[in-house]
Amino acid sequence: KQEVTQIPAALSVPEGENLVLNCSFTDSAIYNLQWFRQDPGKGLTSLLLIQSSQREQTSGRLNASLDKSSGRSTLYIAASQPGDSATYLCAPFPYNNNDMRFGAGTRLTVKP
Amino acid sequence: DVKVTQSSRYLVKRTGEKVFLECVQDMDHENMFWYRQDPGLGLRLIYFSYDVKMKEKGDIPEGYSVSREKKERFSLILESASTNQTSMYLCASSQDRGINQPQHFGDGTRLSIL
Repeated sequence: KQEVTQIPAALSVPEGENLVLNCSFTDSAIYNLQWFRQDPGKGLTSLLLIQSSQREQTSGRLNASLDKSSGRSTLYIAASQPGDSATYLCAPFPYNNNDMRFGAGTRLTVKP
Repeated sequence: DVKVTQSSRYLVKRTGEKVFLECVQDMDHENMFWYRQDPGLGLRLIYFSYDVKMKEKGDIPEGYSVSREKKERFSLILESASTNQTSMYLCASSQDRGINQPQHFGDGTRLSIL
């Protein structure tokens, strides 16, 4: 079964810093990998989706990379802002729909 | 923008009650999903559906059932609620069996079973 690990579990940085969140997964039989943001008590907001054939995907200050063969993805946030404070989750989408897995998330705090 | 609406943000029920959680999406998506989210366990897939009247079990279907009579609506049913079903429930939808289409989530229903 797919295992998804996100490191670090929590991260606190000063405003303006660039940062990297890591996601690793054990089963590379995936169609894509999606990064989400979750604010406290809310649902998930889709940030980026990287197809298995892609290496990178960018949206504004966010850049996600995917190395399917090594089972790794990173989310890079440039020039972090206090509004970026949230929990970030990754989810590889498997060939087998029944095996959807999410990482436990990285809780990010950006201090003004 | 895709809108996924869950009928209740907060719900309190008693053990043994039959509980219905409703989810509606407005983008004609084929796929719909129900997850629960618990501290330390993350999100886990309960059931999903890729078409009307179709359903498939996810990781933790025990104690739950689902209904999809119309494309836009996916209901999660707790047949006889128990305290270990106290959780945050999240509904999601996506297009075209989810292949390279993002999942869109509702705001969640925080369910407490007393």
